[in-house]
Amino acid sequence: GQQLNQSPQSMFIQEGEDVSMNCTSSSIFNTWLWYKQEPGEGPVLLIALYKAGELTSNGRLTAQFGITRKDSFLNISASIPSDVGIYFCAGHTGGGNKLTFGTGTQLKVEL
Amino acid sequence: GAVVSQHPSRVICKSGTSVKIECRSLDFQATTMFWYRQFPKQSLMLMATSNEGSKATYEQGVEKDKFLINHASLTLSTLTVTSAHPEDSSFYICSARPDRVERNPWADTQYFGPGTRLTVL
Repeated sequence: GQQLNQSPQSMFIQEGEDVSMNCTSSSIFNTWLWYKQEPGEGPVLLIALYKAGELTSNGRLTAQFGITRKDSFLNISASIPSDVGIYFCAGHTGGGNKLTFGTGTQLKVEL
Repeated sequence: GAVVSQHPSRVICKSGTSVKIECRSLDFQATTMFWYRQFPKQSLMLMATSNEGSKATYEQGVEKDKFLINHASLTLSTLTVTSAHPEDSSFYICSARPDRVERNPWADTQYFGPGTRLTVL
């Protein structure tokens, strides 16, 4: 089946630093989504990407849909303590509506 | 907008009993909802797609007789874990996909509930 691999698996950074994480797939997706999940909560949608090459921002977050449609990255600028959590990429091929989730990147921010 | 609720948020039950979890879209209609399961420190795994007015579609390896899904209306789907056992203990999360484009500023996306922590003793 389809798999989405995220890297890094976890990262520990200092407040104010920029963060970058990426997601790669063995197959093509038509839509890429980035979610954030905090402990004991459901995922919250951060950014959605619909076209290959698309670059989209949401506040301090920027994400890009890779040209090959098999990868995406998420950048967080000037990290703050409330950025801690697990970030998941997710993709779907359209039509079927089913999302495939990545393995997750856990972000910890040091004051 | 696009709020999804789940009830209960936490449930502890004895082995052999059945547990029902509700998923509601509060401010939009959703013909399609989804049920996921998440183990500690792992990603979300899709269990089934819930369709209003028709049978749910289960993912490979998910027992439909054990995880009963009923999509009673355009705002409510329920998941019943029948004859629960300790290995069914997990975090169950539902999501809903808004039917109407204007209520879904990001098309083809799903909005997630806060999850239900099930512990089977």
